[in-house]
Amino acid sequence: DAGITQSPRHKVTETGTPVTLRCHQTENHRYMYWYRQDPGHGLRLIHYSYGVKDTDKGEVSDGYSVSRSKTEDFLLTLESATSSQTSVYFCATGTSGGAIETQYFGPGTRLLVL
Amino acid sequence: AQTVTQSQPEMSVQEAETVTLSCTYDTSESDYYLFWYKQPPSRQMILVIRQEAYKQQNATENRFSVNFQKAAKSFSLKISDSQLGDAAMYFCAYRSASPNNNDMRFGAGTRLTVKP
Repeated sequence: DAGITQSPRHKVTETGTPVTLRCHQTENHRYMYWYRQDPGHGLRLIHYSYGVKDTDKGEVSDGYSVSRSKTEDFLLTLESATSSQTSVYFCATGTSGGAIETQYFGPGTRLLVL
Repeated sequence: AQTVTQSQPEMSVQEAETVTLSCTYDTSESDYYLFWYKQPPSRQMILVIRQEAYKQQNATENRFSVNFQKAAKSFSLKISDSQLGDAAMYFCAYRSASPNNNDMRFGAGTRLTVKP
């Protein structure tokens, strides 16, 4: 299994506060992804990165920003959290991008916005 | 936009029996990949099997196999000799083969219960 950790694993915050989730990998994978998982929707892509400082938007990027200053770290920031951003957030990595790659997922972060 | 539909929110199977999970998708593309992921209670997403659309032969991984019907846009997962450890959420996913498209679309999932 790819060494992917997410921190924090659980977080409760209040509406309007900034929140940053961290994904750390030890596999030197070039691609990294942030997904959110909600009941009835499966996983939906928020943002992804195809290299240091190279990022792009996914299906549900509004209200989120990302940064990748090092290969091993991919940060997801909610600038001003809203209740609709209550979700489970998954980070994933991939070696090559594109459909042929295998994505490896982290354990998830459960975020509750009150 | 591509959509993935899993019409069975829940399924159950007796241990050692066979179960089939359904998945349909909508796309105008001809080249793409389809996946089944397993999510056990630990929440870790695990790749079960992958199918390339241009390959007519159905993918198989040990007890897991798929029935890929490209014209019908159907991609079902068959689990043979079900084991208690197979109990999990199963997600069907679609990904375009376009090199510039890194968006994977997931279905809503099917919760599989395995009865001893």
